[in-house]
Amino acid sequence: DSGVTQTPKHLITATGQRVTLRCSPRSGDLSVYWYQQSLDQGLQFLIHYYNGEERAKGNILERFSAQQFPDLHSELNLSSLELGDSALYFCASSVGGIEGYGYTFGSGTRLTVV
Amino acid sequence: KNEVEQSPQNLTAQEGEFITINCSYSVGISALHWLQQHPGGGIVSLFMLSSGKKKHGRLIATINIQEKHSSLHITASHPRDSAVYICAVPFPNTGNQFYFGTGTSLTVIP
Repeated sequence: DSGVTQTPKHLITATGQRVTLRCSPRSGDLSVYWYQQSLDQGLQFLIHYYNGEERAKGNILERFSAQQFPDLHSELNLSSLELGDSALYFCASSVGGIEGYGYTFGSGTRLTVV
Repeated sequence: KNEVEQSPQNLTAQEGEFITINCSYSVGISALHWLQQHPGGGIVSLFMLSSGKKKHGRLIATINIQEKHSSLHITASHPRDSAVYICAVPFPNTGNQFYFGTGTSLTVIP
């Protein structure tokens, strides 16, 4: 157990639907990062939150949004789902602010859109 | 254009063999990560290194910042080392956002 908890582990849903993925960071970590891993794109950075505030956006679609709550857990919301959104979604956490320091991944949520 | 290139893409080795995976990158960085992704999908951070060499058990990672190259070595490989190994470098002048290599899929045969 890495200390970063992601739920659910698996999710199957239909096109057009909306889902919420949840991430609880490792105790003490203030930063949460979301990544998408698809077969054709590899790992792609989506978004970074630090202590409740959005710090950076990567290749995140407008249909996707995220937030980090006061208890530091984060949710990634995916709406109007398309078949191409099927992927593994990882979150990672770190103490934050220091490049690469204490970076821990969760085990991922496998999303299948049918 | 890939900021991070890994080689080989696939690697099959006999148990006990010495394994090397290479990573070259094009951006200026201060540190590089090696990640391990098991067949079930979970990702583990193996190393973060900014210079020289780090060793953890049978794993050794080296980096040459001037040449923009890093290697991951596995000594006395074992079937449980079978996984995808991913090299990651941070976006320049940012915190923890990364470019990722496409990964090297390693299979160690008993």
